[in-house]
Amino acid sequence: ELQVVESGGGLVQPGGSLRLSCAASGFTFSRHWMHWVRQAPGKGLVWVSRINGDGSSTSYADSVKGRFTISRDNAKNTLYLQMNSLRAEDTAVYYCVRWEVAGAFDIWGQGTMVTVSS
Amino acid sequence: DIVMTQSPDSLSVSLGERATINCKSSQSVLYSSNNKNYLAWFQQKPGQPPKLLIFWASTRESGVPDRFSGSGSGTDFTLTISSLQAEDVAVYYCQQYYSTPSTFGQGTKLEIK
Repeated sequence: ELQVVESGGGLVQPGGSLRLSCAASGFTFSRHWMHWVRQAPGKGLVWVSRINGDGSSTSYADSVKGRFTISRDNAKNTLYLQMNSLRAEDTAVYYCVRWEVAGAFDIWGQGTMVTVSS
Repeated sequence: DIVMTQSPDSLSVSLGERATINCKSSQSVLYSSNNKNYLAWFQQKPGQPPKLLIFWASTRESGVPDRFSGSGSGTDFTLTISSLQAEDVAVYYCQQYYSTPSTFGQGTKLEIK
């Protein structure tokens, strides 16, 4: 079964750090660009970051640039999002998403909740 | 950034009737070299992740019922549900993946009348 499973979310104080992980299975992970998309409680979907197949190219939303780092370990079929200097407005469910070049954002995980609060 | 604007924000439709959701992009998402519109539609039910329904503006994802269809080109797009079923109650989002950052519409909440 094609799937991605996020982990690593939780409660963190403003200014703190958190690392999210996304374990992929059922497909050749290294062939796919991967993305993080977040959704604040009761709000819409917001793209956060993406990484290409071999990890050599990354891109970030302006709101997280300089604070978040996306990376991947293709040997472990795992995507990461290192989040530093967290702010209240980063509170959201974070989704790991596969990009299928022949299609679109086709596989989404269940998401992991990140809450930034004192 | 490309701004995606959906209309209406909410929609109430009777079972068996047609539902239509519109999406407008602030610039064209049609890539001339391959004549593809980089536009997708998602369905999100409460407590669940988004589910891909339509990509390339009009290609239905595998397993998606044929009552769902997408149309449009350039900057104006439509998602149509031909005969609304109870399980179609959800929030629907359009998304452009033509340029980075990819951007989503604000969502349209679909309810049963």
